[in-house]
Amino acid sequence: QKEVEQDPGPLSVPEGAIVSLNCTYSNSAFQYFMWYRQYSRKGPELLMYTYSSGNKEDGRFTAQVDKSSKYISLFIRDSQPSDSATYLCAMSAQTGGSYIPTFGRGTSLIVHP
Amino acid sequence: SAVISQKPSRDICQRGTSLTIQCQVDSQVTMMFWYRQQPGQSLTLIATANQGSEATYESGFVIDKFPISRPNLTFSTLTVSNMSPEDSSIYLCSAGTGDTQYFGPGTRLTVL
Repeated sequence: QKEVEQDPGPLSVPEGAIVSLNCTYSNSAFQYFMWYRQYSRKGPELLMYTYSSGNKEDGRFTAQVDKSSKYISLFIRDSQPSDSATYLCAMSAQTGGSYIPTFGRGTSLIVHP
Repeated sequence: SAVISQKPSRDICQRGTSLTIQCQVDSQVTMMFWYRQQPGQSLTLIATANQGSEATYESGFVIDKFPISRPNLTFSTLTVSNMSPEDSSIYLCSAGTGDTQYFGPGTRLTVL
């Protein structure tokens, strides 16, 4: 079993839909949870960052962490074609003073007009 | 946050040659990392670039193949040595600030 599991998709939705992206993990020591967005031929861009359990909202994006279930989600409201990208989840625990994240393989999202 | 630039953005190289990728961060950072990303795959950590000491390599990656320099807190280089077509990939530099990471735009390498 991989430490972080993420469905690669692709996930295809119509413009305006609510998108739900998810990751599960096995390491209960993870405390920091991140979502990155990666457009084609670009580097990953940090989108959302959450510490421990709970929700965090930023505009159309909401990140949820359920540590009891080892499950994290990213919701995108009113999805736009410009949201079409690969979304990578990442999570980390402090190890010797550093935080080196473990990444999911990414979910490809396509929002069609 | 940190803004990271990489050079070159892409290159096509011949088998057996070497390529050095440069990474520049706009602020001093404690941690710098090098990743590889194969098409459709997640990020694979190659090594942590340590300032003033040897890099720390992950399993499957060795210094002779991927020598790394980190002369100061804002700059690092990764060399891909004696390249083969299997080294064709995107190489990403990352900087750690506190408890998260930021990425450069990547270097797309094709080895013929």
